[in-house]
Amino acid sequence: EVQLVESGGGLVQPGRSLRLSCAASGFTFDDYAMHWVRQAPGKGLEWVSGISWNSGSIGYADSVKGRFTISRDNAKNSLYLQMNSLRAEDTALYYCAKVFGYQLLFHAFDIWGQGTMVTVSS
Amino acid sequence: AIQLTQSPSSLSASVGDRVTITCRASQGISSALAWYQQKPGKAPKLLIYDASSLESGVPSRFSGSGSGTDFTLTISSLQPEDFATYYCQQFNSYPQPLTFGGGTKVEIK
Repeated sequence: EVQLVESGGGLVQPGRSLRLSCAASGFTFDDYAMHWVRQAPGKGLEWVSGISWNSGSIGYADSVKGRFTISRDNAKNSLYLQMNSLRAEDTALYYCAKVFGYQLLFHAFDIWGQGTMVTVSS
Repeated sequence: AIQLTQSPSSLSASVGDRVTITCRASQGISSALAWYQQKPGKAPKLLIYDASSLESGVPSRFSGSGSGTDFTLTISSLQPEDFATYYCQQFNSYPQPLTFGGGTKVEIK
């Protein structure tokens, strides 16, 4: 079964850091780009960051550029998001998502995890 | 960044109705557009990719059309399980950010 499972969310104070993980299974992880998408409570979807299959290309939303770092470990079938200098507006459910197109950085997302909640509050 | 404007932001419809949702891009994106369905408490589900290609397992009552700046998602005969929020997404823009539309909530009339 193709599956993505996120972990690492929680309650964190403003200015602190958090690292999210996404464990992939059921597909050849190192053939596909991976992304993070977030959704604030009651709001729409916001793309956060994406990384190519070989980590050669990376992109970030302007709202997180310079604070968040995406990475992957193909040997462990895992995707990560290091979030530093967290703000209240980063509070959201964070999804990892697999790109549909083989070795494309940007494409539709055909597989999504269930999400991990990040709450930034003092 | 490329902006995507969905309309309407919400609509009320009855089972069996034909429903159309539009998505307009602030600049041309060729056919690099996807549509998703999201139900409360669930992750988004891919319906359409490359503007008009139906994802495997998605009912044929869903269809997508358009290219350039104007796109449409059509549900030919609304079913009870189709009441949800729908989002468009463009993926033509690297190195500019990938973007989503604001969503369209389809409710029961």
